[in-house]
Amino acid sequence: GAVVSQHPSWVICKSGTSVKIECRSLDFQATTMFWYRQFPKKSLMLMATSNEGSKATYEQGVEKDKFLINHASLTLSTLTVTSAHPEDSSFYICSAWISGRYNEQFFGPGTRLTVL
Amino acid sequence: QKEVEQDPGPLSVPEGAIVSLNCTYSNSAFQYFMWYRQYSRKGPELLMYTYSSGNKEDGRFTAQVDKSSKYISLFIRDSQPSDSATYLCAMTNDYKLSFGAGTTVTVRA
Repeated sequence: GAVVSQHPSWVICKSGTSVKIECRSLDFQATTMFWYRQFPKKSLMLMATSNEGSKATYEQGVEKDKFLINHASLTLSTLTVTSAHPEDSSFYICSAWISGRYNEQFFGPGTRLTVL
Repeated sequence: QKEVEQDPGPLSVPEGAIVSLNCTYSNSAFQYFMWYRQYSRKGPELLMYTYSSGNKEDGRFTAQVDKSSKYISLFIRDSQPSDSATYLCAMTNDYKLSFGAGTTVTVRA
């Protein structure tokens, strides 16, 4: 149980285009999902907290207009990188927090974004 | 000063050796401590989860927490080549996790 999927696993896009990444909890409902960014050989950096039915909470320094987050249902959150540029190239990972299981997050497999 | 400090390694050990990993932290409010394993180009996988000082054992893995010293450790006994991965410590006092940089471990056959 507690499986989180991400789609796509790998995407290449041209500079200036927008890319949408999906995060799904497959066998449980997640009221809260998190989006992280990870640079090579670096740790995970929390970008935003996504709550179902409400606006996402962004960490300091993260541009909310560039990284649009939507948590439309208890099993799906999406991250859209708008007008992507090469510096947005990174490994994006989502996690889902199971309601009632305090502080336990389950991570998706990640999405590697390359912006040309 | 980073909130969570972890030596990035890399750490290389022969098969069967004990792997010792550790993290220090500065925020005394942290109450929950985790160790994640991350294989290359994959998401982190939860290995151990503790919320009090002391030891917790799960198979070949032992997690130690010393809140007075703000120091946590993970030991892997009888290490196997399949244990080769990056190990991240994480901690929190609510639901936002603070991660260490991760230690890359290679177990040589």
